[in-house]
Amino acid sequence: AQTVTQSQPEMSVQEAETVTLSCTYDTSENNYYLFWYKQPPSRQMILVIRQEAYKQQNATENRFSVNFQKAAKSFSLKISDSQLGDTAMYFCAFMIPGTYKYIFGTGTRLKVLA
Amino acid sequence: NAGVTQTPKFQVLKTGQSMTLQCAQDMNHEYMSWYRQDPGMGLRLIHYSVGAGITDQGEVPNGYNVSRSTTEDFPLRLLSAAPSQTSVYFCASSYSSSGNTEAFFGQGTRLTVV
Repeated sequence: AQTVTQSQPEMSVQEAETVTLSCTYDTSENNYYLFWYKQPPSRQMILVIRQEAYKQQNATENRFSVNFQKAAKSFSLKISDSQLGDTAMYFCAFMIPGTYKYIFGTGTRLKVLA
Repeated sequence: NAGVTQTPKFQVLKTGQSMTLQCAQDMNHEYMSWYRQDPGMGLRLIHYSVGAGITDQGEVPNGYNVSRSTTEDFPLRLLSAAPSQTSVYFCASSYSSSGNTEAFFGQGTRLTVV
């Protein structure tokens, strides 16, 4: 069975600074997808970034980037130039292609301080 | 397009009552699923469907029923509500396409069982 672990329940960062959220996972599969979802106070789940396991290059989306270490089964999210609007709960998620069943971590609550 | 629409947004039930959480998507997505979100536990899969007429159980299916008579709708039924079913419920949809794995979420239903 696959598991996703987020070991940081809460984090805070000063506006304009950089923060890294940690995620580790466990699987015996070789091909899979990894995601970071953002959940602001509105409760809406928003896809931040995704990574295909077969791609060695780390995904980036504007201020968001990941550090994907397949051998270590680690998938951290780096937020650069943090903004107040980044305040949210962040979930790491895993999916095996073709199943469309997501396995989520327990989340990290991030607060960006002015 | 409205995306994924969940109703109601909030609901209070008494123990033993039944109700149906509605979920509709207008994107012609094949895959639909229900998750529940509880503090400290992330999102957990309740039931999912890979197409009209096909449903299957997820990680926490007990106490819930689903059906999928059309591509658009995927209602979740609580047959006899229990306080342990107090949670935030999310419906999600996605489709099969090379390279596309994003799940689109509804805005959630906050259910309280007293």
